[in-house]
Amino acid sequence: GAVVSQHPSRVICKSGTSVKIECRSLDFQATTMFWYRQFPKQSLMLMATSNEGSKATYEQGVEKDKFLINHASLTLSTLTVTSAHPEDSSFYICSAQHQETQYFGPGTRLLVL
Amino acid sequence: DQQVKQNSPSLSVQEGRISILNCDYTNSMFDYFLWYKKYPAEGPTFLISISSIKDKNEDGRFTVFLNKSAKHLSLHIVPSQPGDSAVYFCAAAFSGTYKYIFGTGTRLKVLA
Repeated sequence: GAVVSQHPSRVICKSGTSVKIECRSLDFQATTMFWYRQFPKQSLMLMATSNEGSKATYEQGVEKDKFLINHASLTLSTLTVTSAHPEDSSFYICSAQHQETQYFGPGTRLLVL
Repeated sequence: DQQVKQNSPSLSVQEGRISILNCDYTNSMFDYFLWYKKYPAEGPTFLISISSIKDKNEDGRFTVFLNKSAKHLSLHIVPSQPGDSAVYFCAAAFSGTYKYIFGTGTRLKVLA
């Protein structure tokens, strides 16, 4: 139980385009999901907390207009990287809250050319 | 300011021996702690957690110890297996908020 999926697993896009990443809780409902970013050999940095039916809460330094989050249902949250630039290239990971624990998706590798 | 620290970036252990991974935190208000295991290009996998009302929690080969006065927790893996080779992250949280602060990770290598 407590399986989280992410799609796509890898995406390459041109600079200036937008990319949408989906995060789904497959066998449980999650009112709260989280979006993280991980740079090589670094820790997971929380970007935002996504709450079903309400606006996401962004961490300090994360541009909400750049990283659009939508949590329209209890099993799906999406992260859209708008007008992506090479510095947005990273590994993006979502997690979904189930009871007291966050369960993570497999991550999405984004490469912006 | 790093609130959760894992001072050892890497650790090598012989198969069958004990692996001890350490984690320190600065905020005494954290009351829920977790360990995750992560393989390259994958999301972290939950291993074990501990609430601040306990000082030890055990699950199979994995035991987490919490020393609140020292603001220190550790993960013991006994016996270590080659499949345990991965990066291990500790995380701290305020229970009820579910917002985790992750350490920088320790890469464990279990040698066959």
